[in-house]
Amino acid sequence: TQLLEQSPQFLSIQEGENLTVYCNSSSVFSSLQWYRQEPGEGPVLLVTVVTGGEVKKLKRLTFQFGDARKDSSLHITAAQPGDTGLYLCAGQADRDDKIIFGKGTRLHILP
Amino acid sequence: GAGVSQSPSNKVTEKGKDVELRCDPISGHTALYWYRQSLGQGLEFLIYFQGNSAPDKSGLPSDRFSAERTGGSVSTLTIQRTQQEDSAVYLCASSGARDRVSGEQYFGPGTRLTVT
Repeated sequence: TQLLEQSPQFLSIQEGENLTVYCNSSSVFSSLQWYRQEPGEGPVLLVTVVTGGEVKKLKRLTFQFGDARKDSSLHITAAQPGDTGLYLCAGQADRDDKIIFGKGTRLHILP
Repeated sequence: GAGVSQSPSNKVTEKGKDVELRCDPISGHTALYWYRQSLGQGLEFLIYFQGNSAPDKSGLPSDRFSAERTGGSVSTLTIQRTQQEDSAVYLCASSGARDRVSGEQYFGPGTRLTVT
């Protein structure tokens, strides 16, 4: 069974702090996506990474794909209350193209 | 352009009744996915349609659940004889030919189903 483990499950921090969310697996992925979901809405795609070691930046968010394409991290600098939400990673498995979602990290930024 | 739309946005039904949930994917997208999300949880894969291929039904939790996709576009998820444990948000996502390779999905707002 292919799994994507996200950690931490929950994170509550003060505005202005930095944080990192992790997404790990024993499977190799041809691509990996990060989504953010706010209450009452569907997940919204933030970024796709496809190359081992790739780093992508989206304003204060930095996404990294592991060298072996089995893991990824999301780093947020100077978190803002608007960053609050459920962060989901999803990987497209190398061997069969199936897409697997992690269970998500629920992030709450306190003003 | 228009995104993925789902209807109804909310559905309250009595236990034992059948419900139909509708998804309109982004025009031209060949792949369509249904997921279920219980309160505060991640996404549970239900079913996947890709073009004219046989759907991947491996995530359907029981034979009370079925889905079809007509004309390669609109999809309907049907839950027969609903149970209270079916209460959840049902999310639909689509992806295009290029996106299918990269795995990117575009989600609708979901249908919140409550079974009383």
